[in-house]
Amino acid sequence: GAGVSQSPSNKVTEKGKDVELRCDPISGHTALYWYRQSLGQGLEFLIYFQGNSAPDKSGLPSDRFSAERTGGSVSTLTIQRTQQEDSAVYLCASSSLGTDYNYGYTFGSGTRLTVV
Amino acid sequence: AQKVTQAQTEISVVEKEDVTLDCVYETRDTTYYLFWYKQPPSGELVFLIRRNSFDEQNEISGRYSWNFQKSTSSFNFTITASQVVDSAVYFCALSEARETSGSRLTFGEGTQLTVNP
Repeated sequence: GAGVSQSPSNKVTEKGKDVELRCDPISGHTALYWYRQSLGQGLEFLIYFQGNSAPDKSGLPSDRFSAERTGGSVSTLTIQRTQQEDSAVYLCASSSLGTDYNYGYTFGSGTRLTVV
Repeated sequence: AQKVTQAQTEISVVEKEDVTLDCVYETRDTTYYLFWYKQPPSGELVFLIRRNSFDEQNEISGRYSWNFQKSTSSFNFTITASQVVDSAVYFCALSEARETSGSRLTFGEGTQLTVNP
């Protein structure tokens, strides 16, 4: 597609349930990033995928968080046993090395997760 | 460790005023990139500009201009003759310069700009 697509756009879940958030990057972009934006806060790095390399998971806040990227394209961020502090907007971004890198990362519209 | 500070949490101006958003960064890297993003109420982050650490030339794009000063580790953003549509949260960000492998962005806390008619 023309941009980074994220689904669902909104998700309300009960505390303790698992959730999956999906990101479709721009076709051909080799790098994919997940960030989290809590209410009134800046953006917090979570995880980064680059091609076939091992992902950089150093930003994941706990072992309840995990992410996959299948076939070098679509990524799924999974949060197990959700807690209220997980409520945030989860943003995905993709970028391409080379000339496209000059234009920075392209972000999706995000998934707003609310844990009740 | 990298750090980006946007000291102004909120700014409110009247349409047609000029406004400057401050950004101060910390990094041990000698080569790095600086970014500004706009986040309108719709939530999507919109890329505005990227600057590499070797290019201190100021840039102007329409009503937007950026002042990069390595001596003070600052990358300030000025909107001239502000308009209501400029109302948004603006983020300054920093990344390492690893063009062959990509790099994470470190964001500031953001500045909420409100332009009143």
